[in-house]
Amino acid sequence: AQSVTQPDIHITVSEGASLELRCNYSYGATPYLFWYVQSPGQGLQLLLKYFSGDTLVQGIKGFEAEFKRSQSSFNLRKPSVHWSDAAEYFCAVGARGTNAGKSTFGDGTTLTVKP
Amino acid sequence: NAGVTQTPKFRILKIGQSMTLQCTQDMNHNYMYWYRQDPGMGLKLIYYSVGAGITDKGEVPNGYNVSRSTTEDFPLRLELAAPSQTSVYFCASSFGLDDTQYFGPGTRLTVL
Repeated sequence: AQSVTQPDIHITVSEGASLELRCNYSYGATPYLFWYVQSPGQGLQLLLKYFSGDTLVQGIKGFEAEFKRSQSSFNLRKPSVHWSDAAEYFCAVGARGTNAGKSTFGDGTTLTVKP
Repeated sequence: NAGVTQTPKFRILKIGQSMTLQCTQDMNHNYMYWYRQDPGMGLKLIYYSVGAGITDKGEVPNGYNVSRSTTEDFPLRLELAAPSQTSVYFCASSFGLDDTQYFGPGTRLTVL
């Protein structure tokens, strides 16, 4: 069965500093990988996704993520954080083949941005 | 284009009561999903549908039922509500199974 681990429950960074949120997955083949952001009281919004091809994926709001098969990781990065980036971030893995449609989400990382 | 809409936004149920959470999308997406999000946790898939008349269980289907009679609507039914079903419920839809999922604003349900 697929699984996702987000090792950091809570991260605090200063505005303007760089950010990296970690995501490790377990899946028997090449997965679909997603990063979502959730602002308080809101639904989830897709930041970026990886299906195949270039392992460095660009997303919205200046975010990027790199798929590293050897490390089973899909870490999210941003070079300079803005106060509006404070939110909860979820990594998710989507299955292929017969289990397509069954996405598994990590427990999330809460990002706090200090002024 | 409203996207994915959910009603109600909030609801309090007594143990043993039943209710239906409504979900409608206007993007003509074939695929629709129901998730629950418990405090401090990620989303867990309850049920999903690949088209009208076709549904399948997710990770946590017990205590819930779904139906999909139209492309637009995917209601989630809770029978005999239990405190363990206190959660925030999100509906989502996508064009394909491996496509971006678009989420509704959620329904916050409390069972007392």
